[in-house]
Amino acid sequence: AQSVTQLGSHVSVSEGALVLLRCNYSSSVPPYLFWYVQYPNQGLQLLLKYTTGATLVKGINGFEAEFKKSETSFHLTKPSAHMSDAAEYFCAVSASGSARQLTFGSGTQLTVLP
Amino acid sequence: SAVISQKPSRDICQRGTSLTIQCQVDSQVTMMFWYRQQPGQSLTLIATANQGSEATYESGFVIDKFPISRPNLTFSTLTVSNMSPEDSSIYLCSVGPQNTEAFFGQGTRLTVV
Repeated sequence: AQSVTQLGSHVSVSEGALVLLRCNYSSSVPPYLFWYVQYPNQGLQLLLKYTTGATLVKGINGFEAEFKKSETSFHLTKPSAHMSDAAEYFCAVSASGSARQLTFGSGTQLTVLP
Repeated sequence: SAVISQKPSRDICQRGTSLTIQCQVDSQVTMMFWYRQQPGQSLTLIATANQGSEATYESGFVIDKFPISRPNLTFSTLTVSNMSPEDSSIYLCSVGPQNTEAFFGQGTRLTVV
């Protein structure tokens, strides 16, 4: 069984400030971890993923995330927020051996203030 | 990558009626997935649809309420039957191995009145 907890349903940052969205997971097997972004009235778009190998993962639009096994975390960061980053962000986990099951966190709505 | 088209993009329906949502993919895929995103909540997997076999439903979802068709490798439909206001949600179609890279449609925003 696996689960995802996203701390903070709403996060506000100023334009140019650091973005930090928190994600903790639990998984009984080695996890695959994902961040998705959902812009208004659109589907989900993959930002980045961790499967194996390097624990610091770089994604699109300047985002990155670090897999920390000891902390069971996969926090998403971006050094400098842009107005276009305003969206809902979902962390998700999948068991490495399962092509079927993807479990999502509750989502974090990011607001970027001018 | 895969491009997924969902129809309709949104609808307002009367309670007690049914709505069929279509999902078209631009390439052949083995597995297609249907998710529900209730207002202010995360995505929940409804079922997995494989071509040529019955859909596999997750706990809490039943075929009578959410019948699924998968007539070929590029198309699937999800029907929301006998709708109530509690069925108001975004319904999303997804393809691809979920543990490596899942692709999502833009979703169908359903409001039941």
